[in-house]
Amino acid sequence: GDSVTQMEGPVTLSEEAFLTINCTYTATGYPSLFWYVQYPGEGLQLLLKATKADDKGSNKGFEATYRKETTSFHLEKGSVQVSDSAVYFCALSDDAGGTSYGKLTFGQGTILTVHP
Amino acid sequence: NAGVMQNPRHLVRRRGQEARLRCSPMKGHSHVYWYRQLPEEGLKFMVYLQKENIIDESGMPKERFSAEFPKEGPSILRIQQVVRGDSAAYFCASSPNRGSHSYEQYFGPGTRLTVT
Repeated sequence: GDSVTQMEGPVTLSEEAFLTINCTYTATGYPSLFWYVQYPGEGLQLLLKATKADDKGSNKGFEATYRKETTSFHLEKGSVQVSDSAVYFCALSDDAGGTSYGKLTFGQGTILTVHP
Repeated sequence: NAGVMQNPRHLVRRRGQEARLRCSPMKGHSHVYWYRQLPEEGLKFMVYLQKENIIDESGMPKERFSAEFPKEGPSILRIQQVVRGDSAAYFCASSPNRGSHSYEQYFGPGTRLTVT
C-alpha cells in the first residue's frame, strides 16, 4: 500500500539557518504530493503541492521538488524564522486508477523549533 | 468565506459513553474526509463522504464508529461506547471537487477527544 516516510525529528534550528526535511514515498499509481503545516492547537494548512514529476511547489519561501526517480519530495527553506516553528507533514494522494477518491496518506510529522 | 468548522473543539467522555463530532465544510464544498491523529503520530484516513453517501470507509474501525453527511446539516462522526484508545484529535477536511488526488483539502481545527 501507499506510505510516506519523513525524517525523524524534532529539528531545532537557529533563526536564518537552512532547513531540509526529508520525505520519501511509495505509491501504486501516480500520486500528487503535498506538504502541510500544523501550528499548535490548529488544523493543517496546505503549504505547497506538486502534482507530477519534476514539478516544484513553493510558498512562503519553502520549496519542494517532485522527484520520481528517487520517490522523494524534500522540503527546503533557505532562511527559517521563529514563526516557522510548527509540525510539518508530508502527504500523498494516489490516483490508484481513479479509486482513491483523493484521500491523503501522511507521514508521521516533523516538529520544527526555531530559536532566535 | 468561513473555513471548515468543527465542534466541539474539546470533548471529554467517560468510557462507555457516546461521542458525536460535527463538521461543517466550507461553503460550496460537498466532499468531506475524516482523519484521526493519535498522539505522536501522523493523520490516518478514516472515511470519505459526499452528501448522503459514504464513498470510502476503508479506514474506519469495523465496530463502534459510524459517519454520515446528510443532505442538510453538518457531517457527523459518531463513536459509540468509547474506550481510552479512542482518545485522539479528529480532523475533518472538505474539498470542492469530486474526490480527486490533485485537489487541495481544507482542514478544520479538529476535535480533541479525551476518554477518561
